[in-house]
Amino acid sequence: NAGVTQTPKFRILKIGQSMTLQCTQDMNHNYMYWYRQDPGMGLKLIYYSVGAGITDKGEVPNGYNVSRSTTEDFPLRLELAAPSQTSVYFCASRLTGGESTQYFGPGTRLLVL
Amino acid sequence: AQRVTQPEKLLSVFKGAPVELKCNYSYSGSPELFWYVQYSRQRLQLLLRHISRESIKGFTADLNKGETSFHLKKPFAQEEDSAMYYCALSGGNQGGKLIFGQGTELSVKP
Repeated sequence: NAGVTQTPKFRILKIGQSMTLQCTQDMNHNYMYWYRQDPGMGLKLIYYSVGAGITDKGEVPNGYNVSRSTTEDFPLRLELAAPSQTSVYFCASRLTGGESTQYFGPGTRLLVL
Repeated sequence: AQRVTQPEKLLSVFKGAPVELKCNYSYSGSPELFWYVQYSRQRLQLLLRHISRESIKGFTADLNKGETSFHLKKPFAQEEDSAMYYCALSGGNQGGKLIFGQGTELSVKP
């Protein structure tokens, strides 16, 4: 199993541009999450999903959108990039119920200039 | 409100010294607590969960509900323990969301 994979690894965006961060997991996990990691701030939850077709906002959803058309994929969309979205983005997944460990992807480093 | 606090941004110790990374939480119910570790250029990975009560890589953590703490301890630090450590809480909420502390960078010097 590849686990949780994310693309791209690194991206530079200009202000106002849009992009999609890709996240895929091959563990048949129903729950998936997007976090952003800012220096000294820990990880903040952006959006999460409890299954295909079901998404909900986390702590810091403004400026982002998500979709969950399949169990495996959970893309994160930035429509109008702003410097405040410069961060490292992590995708994670976990099983429904029982074992509650979240498994993380390698992260996407985004720089908005 | 649910909150996790890690008071130390940076903890620097010498190899062989004891280590304690502090974590305090705020939650009214029965939380599930975790420690995640992020080694340089690697993804976050689970170190240990309070439910399993196990020791991983020599680290242990005990949930103290009276003091609302979940401190991470290791009696003899190794250089390979140098990493970023995050304490996290799951409050049994819908979706199994985690609330993370700000993280503590552990630096173990030779």
